[in-house]
Amino acid sequence: DVVMTQSPLSLPVTVGQPASISCRSNQSLVSSDGDSYLNWFQQRPGQSPRRLIYKVSNRDSGVPDRFSGSGSGTDFTLRISRVEAEDVGLYYCMQGTHWPPTFGQGTKLEIK
Amino acid sequence: EVQLVESGGSVVRPGGSLRLSCAASGFTFDDHGMSWVRQVPGKGLEWVCGINWNGGSRNCVDSVKGRFTISRDNAKNSLDLQMSSLRVEDTALYYCARGLRGVDSWGQGTPVTVSS
Repeated sequence: DVVMTQSPLSLPVTVGQPASISCRSNQSLVSSDGDSYLNWFQQRPGQSPRRLIYKVSNRDSGVPDRFSGSGSGTDFTLRISRVEAEDVGLYYCMQGTHWPPTFGQGTKLEIK
Repeated sequence: EVQLVESGGSVVRPGGSLRLSCAASGFTFDDHGMSWVRQVPGKGLEWVCGINWNGGSRNCVDSVKGRFTISRDNAKNSLDLQMSSLRVEDTALYYCARGLRGVDSWGQGTPVTVSS
């Protein structure tokens, strides 16, 4: 199975400051169709996960534009341009290129 | 609005069986592959099983293969997960999710506890 490694695992951030989460895979996530199926999810406390980003850099409907995704191959990043209090929670990357889909360990974002 | 409502979670003894169900609404069900994803309380996410739009292709992670079976009824807009030979380590919140390569909608989850 593809191993997804996130860093950091804990991310204290001041409101209004930027934040960045790294996700690395141990195999390239470029699919035979040319797309890379790398997704980012947010899980607020007590809630189900919500997808923020799909195929590396595409924002889901309703996701604020302060969230952005980038990367290629095995190295990906989720960026929040200016953290808000409502962004507190866990963030997971997930690859869907290789079977079975696998998740990173999660990064806990908290407000300083 | 996409809605996924899971049911069937319960407390069960090791070795027991359980059937989870997911009622889908708000979208054309047979346009989408579907997945079950689980989360041990306080831990991360683990994709469990997935099925394509017509049920012709289905697969599960090795840790549940041979014990769990995913199925769907497109006429009823429903997704099921039949779990047997349950183990303590299967204890988790089980989510129904739309999609396979990039699940884009999740239910609220149904809890499964395997304990003697």
